[in-house]
Amino acid sequence: QKEVEQNSGPLSVPEGAIASLNCTYSDRGSQSFFWYRQYSGKSPELIMSIYSNGDKEDGRFTAQLNKASQYVSLLIRDSQPSDSATYLCAVNPETSYDKVIFGPGTSLSVIP
Amino acid sequence: EAGVAQSPRYKIIEKRQSVAFWCNPISGHATLYWYQQILGQGPKLLIQFQNNGVVDDSQLPKDRFSAERLKGVDSTLKIQPAKLEDSAVYLCASSLNQGAAGANVLTFGAGSRLTVL
Repeated sequence: QKEVEQNSGPLSVPEGAIASLNCTYSDRGSQSFFWYRQYSGKSPELIMSIYSNGDKEDGRFTAQLNKASQYVSLLIRDSQPSDSATYLCAVNPETSYDKVIFGPGTSLSVIP
Repeated sequence: EAGVAQSPRYKIIEKRQSVAFWCNPISGHATLYWYQQILGQGPKLLIQFQNNGVVDDSQLPKDRFSAERLKGVDSTLKIQPAKLEDSAVYLCASSLNQGAAGANVLTFGAGSRLTVL
């Protein structure tokens, strides 16, 4: 079983819609969870970090964490064409404090 | 604050040749990571340093890859001999000292794109 799994997509949404990106992880003891955005040809950049069950909102982005289900998601409200990118879910497994494992990424395309 | 510096940005070599990549992390960041990202895939952790010590190199192909971090600052990743399947972007990232708030939030460099012919 892969440590971090995501739907590979591509996911297409119309401009102004809500984009929903999902991620599951295998290490039940994981404590820290991250969403990175990666534009084509660029390096990943952090969008959100979440450490506790529930929702965390930052502007148009909301991260949701459910540790019991080993599930983390990212919602993008009022999607814009500039949100078109690959979104990488990353997890810090319990076995190593600073280790960060990435999922395969979900490609998002926002259609004007 | 200056970001994570990497060089070279691009490198084209033939199989069985050698190549080296250099990384300078953000000042004060004790943890340094090297990731390999093959086109269309997520970053794969190759090696993680805490200061100048190796924390995790379980995914590093040690028969051909080596890495070092002298004096706990700069790091070099070497591939010798290179194979076709090593074609990828090699990403260096750094994070704050262990135990600090946001310690495992990574800042990435621009990456080094390797093409092996």
